[in-house]
Amino acid sequence: DAKTTQPPSMDCAEGRAANLPCNHSTISGNEYVYWYRQIHSQGPQYIIHGLKNNETNEMASLIITEDRKSSTLILPHATLRDTAVYYCIVRGGGNKLVFGAGTILRVKS
Amino acid sequence: NAGVTQTPKFQVLKTGQSMTLQCAQDMNHNSMYWYRQDPGMGLRLIYYSASEGTTDKGEVPNGYNVSRLNKREFSLRLESAAPSQTSVYFCASMTDIAKNIQYFGAGTRLSVL
Repeated sequence: DAKTTQPPSMDCAEGRAANLPCNHSTISGNEYVYWYRQIHSQGPQYIIHGLKNNETNEMASLIITEDRKSSTLILPHATLRDTAVYYCIVRGGGNKLVFGAGTILRVKS
Repeated sequence: NAGVTQTPKFQVLKTGQSMTLQCAQDMNHNSMYWYRQDPGMGLRLIYYSASEGTTDKGEVPNGYNVSRLNKREFSLRLESAAPSQTSVYFCASMTDIAKNIQYFGAGTRLSVL
């Protein structure tokens, strides 16, 4: 599975959009991009995933560049409860996820 | 709908003691997983079970054993606990491989003294 690179931390003002980047330059054609988050002391929570088209659900939007080498998770109106570690994971077939260090997002009032 | 349930939530052991961490899911998922998370680190896969009756090693299996008791339950056993196994343990189950969305339990916080 392709490796991912994320900034270690980011800050965002409450009510503003949070844009979390992820680089995955070695991604191959059949690999999906997944995003999970982990709020302090809790188990990770699935957010969204995509292959090449942009995706949106009730939690977030996922923008994948045309060359698929990077993506951005967008939380449109961040709240204090969105403060968490966000993990970008790339995987293809099989059933294992490999978690990196992720990005610590701090939403501030 | 409880999702993934882990017991116990907290446990303190002495070096050399044994214990079993329990995990159960009610979503009829085939695949189940055990991860550990050390302070400030990401999750590391210990063992997983792709289906009832099968188990496979993950990234850090040493010192652990697992049992897939039935489709619902996947337990993790520490035969002789060591301080290096102090960690938070998460169990997860997964939807079908096509979607590959994992659902996690609340975790078991284990301290080995």
